[in-house]
Amino acid sequence: DAGVTQSPTHLIKTRGQQVTLRCSPKSGHDTVSWYQQALGQGPQFIFQYYEEEERQRGNFPDRFSGHQFPNYSSELNVNALLLGDSALYLCASSWEPGQGAGETQYFGPGTRLLVL
Amino acid sequence: AQTVTQSQPEMSVQEAETVTLSCTYDTSESDYYLFWYKQPPSRQMILVIRQEAYKQQNATENRFSVNFQKAAKSFSLKISDSQLGDAAMYFCAYRRRGGGNQFYFGTGTSLTVIP
Repeated sequence: DAGVTQSPTHLIKTRGQQVTLRCSPKSGHDTVSWYQQALGQGPQFIFQYYEEEERQRGNFPDRFSGHQFPNYSSELNVNALLLGDSALYLCASSWEPGQGAGETQYFGPGTRLLVL
Repeated sequence: AQTVTQSQPEMSVQEAETVTLSCTYDTSESDYYLFWYKQPPSRQMILVIRQEAYKQQNATENRFSVNFQKAAKSFSLKISDSQLGDAAMYFCAYRRRGGGNQFYFGTGTSLTVIP
């Protein structure tokens, strides 16, 4: 049973460019959450996708957008990249039955983004 | 907003000894979940242990156990018989019960295991 997978593992971009990161959830999971982890910090919640819709969003600008596909995989898009967007981007998946029960999130290995 | 505080940026422990990592959180909710995640240098976050706030009994997973003090909003992790493979960043996380609720993470504690 494959766990959460993310691609690519590393990415280098320049300021102003756009980037797309991809995530495949763990088998049986229907919810995908994205986090930004700056160096030496804990993960910060970006948004969560459930049933192909953004269900909740953290304190991130509209430059950060996402999508969830019918197979539950997800993409994170960041436009107009800034130097401060350099971070590890983590995807986490979970199964959220209805109102949920605080289900555990399982994390992927992350994508390391460097903005020059 | 909920906050999670880990006041120990770094900790070290001798191999085979016991170490306790501290975590406090702030919430007005009564029904929530607390987690400890481990992030080795390979960077993949791994669930260590989970505690439901409505349960009085502290969770245990093999060498890992927690001391959950709901009134004090404290959630510490005890690692017994520490092993070299336990060296990692440890993050405490909080999540309110209910679908769609995000995780809130602390800033982490870097654990070094000394052979």
